[in-house]
Amino acid sequence: AQSVTQLGSHVSVSEGALVLLRCNYSSSVPPYLFWYVQYPNQGLQLLLKYTTGATLVKGINGFEAEFKKSETSFHLTKPSAHMSDAAEYFCAVSEGNTGGFKTIFGAGTRLFVKA
Amino acid sequence: DSGVTQTPKHLITATGQRVTLRCSPRSGDLSVYWYQQSLDQGLQFLIQYYNGEERAKGNILERFSAQQFPDLHSELNLSSLELGDSALYFCASSVSTVGTDTQYFGPGTRLTVL
Repeated sequence: AQSVTQLGSHVSVSEGALVLLRCNYSSSVPPYLFWYVQYPNQGLQLLLKYTTGATLVKGINGFEAEFKKSETSFHLTKPSAHMSDAAEYFCAVSEGNTGGFKTIFGAGTRLFVKA
Repeated sequence: DSGVTQTPKHLITATGQRVTLRCSPRSGDLSVYWYQQSLDQGLQFLIQYYNGEERAKGNILERFSAQQFPDLHSELNLSSLELGDSALYFCASSVSTVGTDTQYFGPGTRLTVL
Protein backbone atom coordinates (compact mmCIF):
# COMPACT_ATOMS: atom_id res chain seq x y z
CA ALA A 1 0.00 0.00 0.00
CA GLN A 2 1.11 3.51 -0.68
CA SER A 3 1.91 5.94 2.09
CA VAL A 4 2.91 9.56 2.54
CA THR A 5 5.19 11.08 5.16
CA GLN A 6 5.35 14.78 5.78
CA LEU A 7 8.38 15.84 7.76
CA GLY A 8 7.52 18.47 10.33
CA SER A 9 4.03 19.01 11.64
CA HIS A 10 4.78 22.72 12.03
CA VAL A 11 7.01 25.00 9.98
CA SER A 12 7.57 28.67 10.76
CA VAL A 13 9.11 31.14 8.32
CA SER A 14 9.44 34.89 8.13
CA GLU A 15 7.57 36.84 5.51
CA GLY A 16 9.69 36.94 2.36
CA ALA A 17 11.68 33.82 3.27
CA LEU A 18 11.80 30.56 1.36
CA VAL A 19 9.07 28.05 2.12
CA LEU A 20 10.06 24.38 2.03
CA LEU A 21 7.58 21.69 3.04
CA ARG A 22 8.83 18.14 2.81
CA CYS A 23 6.98 15.11 1.55
CA ASN A 24 8.16 11.55 0.98
CA TYR A 25 6.04 8.79 -0.43
CA SER A 26 6.20 5.07 -0.83
CA SER A 27 4.76 3.45 -3.91
CA SER A 28 5.35 0.31 -5.89
CA VAL A 29 4.13 1.94 -9.09
CA PRO A 30 4.65 5.37 -10.64
CA PRO A 31 2.71 7.65 -8.34
CA TYR A 32 0.28 10.45 -8.87
CA LEU A 33 1.22 13.09 -6.30
CA PHE A 34 -0.66 16.10 -5.03
CA TRP A 35 -0.29 19.06 -2.70
CA TYR A 36 -3.41 20.54 -1.15
CA VAL A 37 -3.85 23.59 1.07
CA GLN A 38 -6.46 23.99 3.78
CA TYR A 39 -7.25 27.40 5.22
CA PRO A 40 -9.00 27.59 8.60
CA ASN A 41 -12.60 26.41 8.51
CA GLN A 42 -12.44 25.58 4.82
CA GLY A 43 -12.13 22.54 2.61
CA LEU A 44 -9.01 21.51 0.78
CA GLN A 45 -7.86 23.22 -2.39
CA LEU A 46 -5.47 21.71 -4.92
CA LEU A 47 -2.16 23.56 -5.20
CA LEU A 48 -0.52 21.34 -7.79
CA LYS A 49 -0.18 17.77 -8.97
CA TYR A 50 2.33 15.50 -10.64
CA THR A 51 1.06 12.87 -13.02
CA THR A 52 3.67 12.22 -15.72
CA GLY A 53 6.18 14.22 -17.72
CA ALA A 54 8.03 17.24 -16.36
CA THR A 55 9.21 16.61 -12.83
CA LEU A 56 9.05 20.27 -11.79
CA VAL A 57 5.44 21.17 -11.35
CA LYS A 58 4.17 24.70 -10.97
CA GLY A 59 1.00 25.42 -9.08
CA ILE A 60 -1.14 28.26 -7.89
CA ASN A 61 -0.03 31.11 -5.62
CA GLY A 62 3.63 30.79 -6.66
CA PHE A 63 4.14 27.28 -5.29
CA GLU A 64 6.04 24.57 -7.08
CA ALA A 65 7.14 21.02 -6.33
CA GLU A 66 9.72 18.69 -7.77
CA PHE A 67 9.18 14.97 -8.18
CA LYS A 68 12.39 13.08 -7.41
CA LYS A 69 11.93 9.40 -8.04
CA SER A 70 15.37 8.44 -6.69
CA GLU A 71 14.58 10.13 -3.38
CA THR A 72 10.85 9.25 -3.40
CA SER A 73 10.20 12.88 -2.58
CA PHE A 74 7.81 15.59 -3.67
CA HIS A 75 8.81 18.67 -1.67
CA LEU A 76 6.80 21.87 -1.95
CA THR A 77 8.56 25.22 -2.24
CA LYS A 78 7.81 28.90 -2.63
CA PRO A 79 10.61 31.44 -3.02
CA SER A 80 9.04 34.14 -0.88
CA ALA A 81 6.44 33.56 1.83
CA HIS A 82 3.47 35.83 2.22
CA MET A 83 1.28 36.22 5.28
CA SER A 84 -1.63 34.78 3.29
CA ASP A 85 0.27 31.49 2.89
CA ALA A 86 -0.34 30.62 6.54
CA ALA A 87 -2.42 27.44 6.35
CA GLU A 88 -2.16 23.67 6.61
CA TYR A 89 -0.62 21.83 3.70
CA PHE A 90 -1.23 18.21 2.79
CA CYS A 91 0.78 16.00 0.49
CA ALA A 92 -1.17 13.14 -1.05
CA VAL A 93 -0.77 10.16 -3.37
CA SER A 94 -3.50 8.38 -5.27
CA GLU A 95 -3.59 4.64 -5.80
CA GLY A 96 -5.94 2.57 -7.84
CA ASN A 97 -6.92 2.23 -11.46
CA THR A 98 -9.45 3.67 -13.84
CA GLY A 99 -12.15 1.73 -12.02
CA GLY A 100 -11.66 3.71 -8.88
CA PHE A 101 -8.92 5.04 -6.66
CA LYS A 102 -8.08 6.14 -3.15
CA THR A 103 -6.22 9.26 -2.13
CA ILE A 104 -3.83 8.78 0.76
CA PHE A 105 -2.96 11.95 2.65
CA GLY A 106 0.01 12.81 4.79
CA ALA A 107 -0.52 14.07 8.32
CA GLY A 108 -0.22 17.67 7.21
CA THR A 109 2.19 20.52 7.90
CA ARG A 110 0.97 23.74 9.42
CA LEU A 111 2.80 26.74 8.01
CA PHE A 112 3.20 29.84 10.16
CA VAL A 113 4.39 33.07 8.56
CA LYS A 114 5.91 35.72 10.82
CA ALA A 115 5.82 39.40 9.97
CA ASP B 1 -16.08 28.45 -3.85
CA SER B 2 -15.38 24.96 -5.20
CA GLY B 3 -18.92 24.35 -6.42
CA VAL B 4 -19.35 21.40 -4.06
CA THR B 5 -22.01 21.89 -1.42
CA GLN B 6 -22.44 20.03 1.84
CA THR B 7 -25.26 20.12 4.32
CA PRO B 8 -25.54 20.61 7.18
CA LYS B 9 -22.50 22.67 8.18
CA HIS B 10 -22.70 21.57 11.78
CA LEU B 11 -24.38 18.63 13.43
CA ILE B 12 -24.54 17.87 17.13
CA THR B 13 -26.00 14.58 18.25
CA ALA B 14 -25.77 11.95 20.95
CA THR B 15 -24.07 8.59 21.10
CA GLY B 16 -26.06 5.79 19.56
CA GLN B 17 -27.87 8.07 17.12
CA ARG B 18 -27.90 8.02 13.34
CA VAL B 19 -27.19 10.97 11.04
CA THR B 20 -27.12 11.64 7.32
CA LEU B 21 -24.69 13.98 5.64
CA ARG B 22 -25.47 15.28 2.19
CA CYS B 23 -23.21 16.32 -0.68
CA SER B 24 -23.93 17.87 -4.06
CA PRO B 25 -21.03 17.63 -6.51
CA ARG B 26 -19.93 20.27 -8.98
CA SER B 27 -22.03 20.44 -12.09
CA GLY B 28 -20.75 17.84 -14.55
CA ASP B 29 -18.75 15.82 -12.02
CA LEU B 30 -19.61 12.14 -11.87
CA SER B 31 -17.37 11.02 -8.99
CA VAL B 32 -17.99 11.74 -5.34
CA TYR B 33 -15.54 10.99 -2.53
CA TRP B 34 -16.03 11.07 1.23
CA TYR B 35 -13.28 11.83 3.74
CA GLN B 36 -13.08 12.03 7.52
CA GLN B 37 -10.73 14.52 9.17
CA SER B 38 -9.98 14.17 12.87
CA LEU B 39 -7.13 15.12 15.16
CA ASP B 40 -6.42 11.45 15.91
CA GLN B 41 -6.58 9.97 12.42
CA GLY B 42 -5.83 12.91 10.17
CA LEU B 43 -7.50 12.97 6.78
CA GLN B 44 -8.82 9.54 5.87
CA PHE B 45 -10.42 8.41 2.63
CA LEU B 46 -13.73 6.66 3.25
CA ILE B 47 -15.37 5.81 -0.05
CA GLN B 48 -15.72 6.77 -3.72
CA TYR B 49 -18.78 6.61 -5.97
CA TYR B 50 -18.85 7.09 -9.70
CA ASN B 51 -22.14 7.62 -11.51
CA GLY B 52 -24.04 5.76 -8.82
CA GLU B 53 -21.64 2.87 -8.36
CA GLU B 54 -19.23 2.27 -5.52
CA ARG B 55 -15.70 2.27 -6.98
CA ALA B 56 -13.23 2.38 -4.09
CA LYS B 57 -13.38 1.82 -0.39
CA GLY B 58 -11.04 3.02 2.31
CA ASN B 59 -11.16 2.90 6.08
CA ILE B 60 -14.93 3.09 6.31
CA LEU B 61 -16.53 1.49 9.35
CA GLU B 62 -19.36 -1.00 8.93
CA ARG B 63 -21.59 1.43 10.85
CA PHE B 64 -21.10 3.90 8.00
CA SER B 65 -22.65 3.63 4.57
CA ALA B 66 -22.98 5.85 1.54
CA GLN B 67 -24.82 6.04 -1.72
CA GLN B 68 -24.94 8.19 -4.81
CA PHE B 69 -28.32 8.95 -6.32
CA PRO B 70 -29.33 9.28 -9.99
CA ASP B 71 -29.05 13.08 -9.75
CA LEU B 72 -25.45 12.45 -8.57
CA HIS B 73 -25.81 13.86 -5.09
CA SER B 74 -24.47 11.61 -2.38
CA GLU B 75 -25.32 10.85 1.22
CA LEU B 76 -23.13 9.46 3.97
CA ASN B 77 -25.03 7.66 6.71
CA LEU B 78 -23.43 7.24 10.10
CA SER B 79 -25.18 5.03 12.63
CA SER B 80 -24.68 3.87 16.22
CA LEU B 81 -22.57 6.94 16.69
CA GLU B 82 -19.68 6.93 19.13
CA LEU B 83 -17.72 9.78 20.65
CA GLY B 84 -14.82 8.93 18.38
CA ASP B 85 -16.91 9.64 15.30
CA SER B 86 -16.73 13.34 16.07
CA ALA B 87 -14.86 14.81 13.12
CA LEU B 88 -15.04 16.97 10.05
CA TYR B 89 -16.50 15.08 7.10
CA PHE B 90 -15.58 16.28 3.64
CA CYS B 91 -17.08 15.47 0.34
CA ALA B 92 -15.15 16.00 -2.89
CA SER B 93 -16.05 15.56 -6.52
CA SER B 94 -14.22 15.07 -9.79
CA VAL B 95 -15.19 14.76 -13.40
CA SER B 96 -14.28 11.09 -13.86
CA THR B 97 -12.65 8.24 -12.00
CA VAL B 98 -9.04 8.59 -13.04
CA GLY B 99 -6.28 8.91 -10.45
CA THR B 100 -5.03 12.11 -12.03
CA ASP B 101 -8.36 13.88 -11.62
CA THR B 102 -8.48 17.08 -9.64
CA GLN B 103 -10.78 16.68 -6.68
CA TYR B 104 -12.82 19.67 -5.59
CA PHE B 105 -13.64 19.71 -1.90
CA GLY B 106 -16.72 20.99 -0.17
CA PRO B 107 -16.58 23.07 3.02
CA GLY B 108 -17.29 20.04 5.21
CA THR B 109 -19.78 19.02 7.86
CA ARG B 110 -18.58 19.20 11.43
CA LEU B 111 -20.09 16.35 13.44
CA THR B 112 -20.02 16.48 17.22
CA VAL B 113 -21.15 13.40 19.12
CA LEU B 114 -21.91 14.04 22.80
